[in-house]
Amino acid sequence: DAKTTQPTSMDCAEGRAANLPCNHSTISGNEYVYWYRQIHSQGPQYIIHGLKNNETNEMASLIITEDRKSSTLILPHATLRDTAVYYCIVRSYTSGTYKYIFGTGTRLKVLA
Amino acid sequence: KAGVTQTPRYLIKTRGQQVTLSCSPISGHRSVSWYQQTPGQGLQFLFEYFSETQRNKGNFPGRFSGRQFSNSRSEMNVSTLELGDSALYLCASSVGLTNQETQYFGPGTRLLVL
Repeated sequence: DAKTTQPTSMDCAEGRAANLPCNHSTISGNEYVYWYRQIHSQGPQYIIHGLKNNETNEMASLIITEDRKSSTLILPHATLRDTAVYYCIVRSYTSGTYKYIFGTGTRLKVLA
Repeated sequence: KAGVTQTPRYLIKTRGQQVTLSCSPISGHRSVSWYQQTPGQGLQFLFEYFSETQRNKGNFPGRFSGRQFSNSRSEMNVSTLELGDSALYLCASSVGLTNQETQYFGPGTRLLVL
């Protein structure tokens, strides 16, 4: 199963862009990268996902390197409500089915 | 569209008891996955059900089991509870049919074993 590596914690000033990196060097060609975040031990909230190309939605942008071994989640204008643990996940294909392998996540603190 | 719901939200049990947790997926979703989250081990995959069949299983002892009903609602059961079973139990649902799947999580059930 492909694993992900993320920094344990990061700080970001309110209103600035938050760039959260993730390494997934063992990712396979058909495995997607997903990002979720979890606030105060609530259920993880889906943010964005991608395979090869960069993706953008109303919450964030996802930049995936050409070799697909790493990616960066960008929150363009971080607010205090973006303080959370952010998980980068590779959706792996095992024994004919898919499952998510969660890493330890990055604890993002947005500072006023 | 209503999100994933889990009941109960909080539960206190004692060692040796058994517990059943319930999850109702998003309407139209046929896949339900269960996860255990603890401070020490993080988020760990328990199992996945699709169309009433267990489709995938994580590395948990047989005390952890689940089932899925014809309306896609799912239950998980933990028998002979141990202190280490104290955790946030999350379920997530998805359509279950395509390569590009997104799982949507419920709020979780927080279980405390005394």
